[in-house]
Amino acid sequence: GENVEQHPSTLSVQEGDSAVIKCTYSDSASNYFPWYKQELGKRPQLIIDIRSNVGEKKDQRIAVTLNKTAKHFSLHITETQPEDSAVYFCAAPSNYQLIWGAGTKLIIKP
Amino acid sequence: GAGVSQSPSNKVTEKGKDVELRCDPISGHTALYWYRQRLGQGLEFLIYFQGNSAPDKSGLPSDRFSAERTGESVSTLTIQRTQQEDSAVYLCASSLALSGVGGEAFFGQGTRLTVV
Repeated sequence: GENVEQHPSTLSVQEGDSAVIKCTYSDSASNYFPWYKQELGKRPQLIIDIRSNVGEKKDQRIAVTLNKTAKHFSLHITETQPEDSAVYFCAAPSNYQLIWGAGTKLIIKP
Repeated sequence: GAGVSQSPSNKVTEKGKDVELRCDPISGHTALYWYRQRLGQGLEFLIYFQGNSAPDKSGLPSDRFSAERTGESVSTLTIQRTQQEDSAVYLCASSLALSGVGGEAFFGQGTRLTVV
């Protein structure tokens, strides 16, 4: 089955700088990789996803890159802002459901 | 409704009592998932329903936990003889398609369970 590892567990960056969170997966057949954001006390929400037929996808300040050969995908946030402070979860599919990473707590320092 | 709805939002119960948590998925969503999230931790899969197929109960931590869903409607998660380690936020999610093939999972606001 699928195994997803996420790093780092905590990331602290200066406001305006970039943040990168990385996930590795084990199942080479996996073809869909979403990222969810969970603000303190709130529910997780999808912020961006990528399918295995592309290597990169961007949406304003966030982007996701996928390296199928190395079996890893990363979330990139540029020009970080206070509202980016949250826990971010990556996931990869296993049959009918998603296997979740352990989460990264992103702290934006003013 | 506009989104996934869970009730109650908060529940405090005495150790040993039974509790029932409810999830109303988005209308038309065939897939429904229950997760447990302990404070500061990740998402722990509990159970999965897909239409009228037999549910995948492989994530349930003990036989004190059970869940039901009628067709593609409401689901209830029942915890019997609650223990303090059951204290957590219980999240429900639904999706139009299987989340593992690209169906976005929409989460409810969760039920915060505290066992005292």
